[in-house]
Amino acid sequence: QSVLTQPPSVSAAPGQKVTISCSGSSSNIGNNRVSWYQQLPGTAPKLLIYENNKRPSGIPDRFSGSKSGTSATLGITGLQTGDEADYYCGTWDSSLSAGVFGGGTKLTVL
Amino acid sequence: QVQLVESGGGVAQPGGSLRLSCAASGFIFSNYGMYWVRQSPGKGLEWVAFIQNDGSKKYNADSVKGRFTISRDNSKNTVYLQMNSLRTEDTAVYYCAKEIVYYASGTYYDWGQGTLVTVSS
Repeated sequence: QSVLTQPPSVSAAPGQKVTISCSGSSSNIGNNRVSWYQQLPGTAPKLLIYENNKRPSGIPDRFSGSKSGTSATLGITGLQTGDEADYYCGTWDSSLSAGVFGGGTKLTVL
Repeated sequence: QVQLVESGGGVAQPGGSLRLSCAASGFIFSNYGMYWVRQSPGKGLEWVAFIQNDGSKKYNADSVKGRFTISRDNSKNTVYLQMNSLRTEDTAVYYCAKEIVYYASGTYYDWGQGTLVTVSS
């Protein structure tokens, strides 16, 4: 059981929009910045969103992030089959003095 | 561009040891914190350890406390993970990752390709 809670799976049709939630507590999401990672099959994770809503260079604006209280959300618009991957949220937990991740969400583009 | 290249993975027996290395290039290594993160087969990401840019602060996951030690050599642009008293549940791909700042903010900005550690008799 992960410190951060994500839905195990989400799905949507090509061209549609999907959101992935990440729920935590005051010691992690509530007081620290959230990042999101995409892991395509057989590859290393890649940073999609950092500091709640910033995109590294090269990440398309179809990907967005937001945070409210102790929850965060990743949004993906204009879904493509190439977006099929596992998505993870992550942050630091100040009480545990530990890095924490969500359990991951598998995105299926139908 | 940033490159992180892990090495040192392989097969070890339960109770054995391995030392992983992560060679960094493309950025001022001594300015950034560094992490080790692992992923067991078919499972999610698990944070393992963090070391601040100057080595003054280190944190370990409870699952590896007392067995794994993170260290760095800024003159060699390399971060290490010494793994002792290995258990079968330590079997995983181990990734090193770069922070965006010198301290632990929980942001893994760049990742290596990973190195596989298999603990089996």
